[in-house]
Amino acid sequence: GENVEQHPSTLSVQEGDSAVIKCTYSDSASNYFPWYKQELGKRPQLIIDIRSNVGEKKDQRIAVTLNKTAKHFSLHITETQPEDSAVYFCAALSGANSKLTFGKGITLSVRP
Amino acid sequence: DTGVSQDPRHKITKRGQNVTFRCDPISEHNRLYWYRQTLGQGPEFLTYFQNEAQLEKSRLLSDRFSAERPKGSFSTLEIQRTEQGDSAMYLCASSWGQGAWDTQYFGPGTRLTVL
Repeated sequence: GENVEQHPSTLSVQEGDSAVIKCTYSDSASNYFPWYKQELGKRPQLIIDIRSNVGEKKDQRIAVTLNKTAKHFSLHITETQPEDSAVYFCAALSGANSKLTFGKGITLSVRP
Repeated sequence: DTGVSQDPRHKITKRGQNVTFRCDPISEHNRLYWYRQTLGQGPEFLTYFQNEAQLEKSRLLSDRFSAERPKGSFSTLEIQRTEQGDSAMYLCASSWGQGAWDTQYFGPGTRLTVL
């Protein structure tokens, strides 16, 4: 089955700096890669996603890049703000059953 | 609120008791998923419905777990003879689509504590 790994497990940045979170996946058949943000005690919220036929997608301060050959994808947050502090999960979807496999999450802390 | 809703939000039970959780998906969403999340981990897939049909179950879903979506709308997840290892956040998600690239929207979860 699919295996998704996230690195690093924690990340601390100064407000205004950029943050990059990387994920790797194992199943070359995976074709959809969402990123979720989860604040303490709240539901995972989709922040951006990318499909396998696209190499990069951007939405304001957030961008995601996908390298299918290397089987990794990354979340880029620019001009970080304290409210960006949360746990970020990457996930990969393969097959026709819409089953998402999640990474373990990265705790991002933005220091004011 | 037109998002995914779950009930109850918290459940404390004693080992050996049965519990049932409910999920109401976003209206008109044909797909519904159950995930389990433990502290420090990402959500783990449990099961998936398309309309009323349960199309896949994870090996994590022992025979003590059963899920239904009788009319293709809300879903219930029942855990029989609960064990302390069942303590977790149970998340429901829903999506609309026919293909494999549906965006899944999560509910707030039901936090289960088994004493």
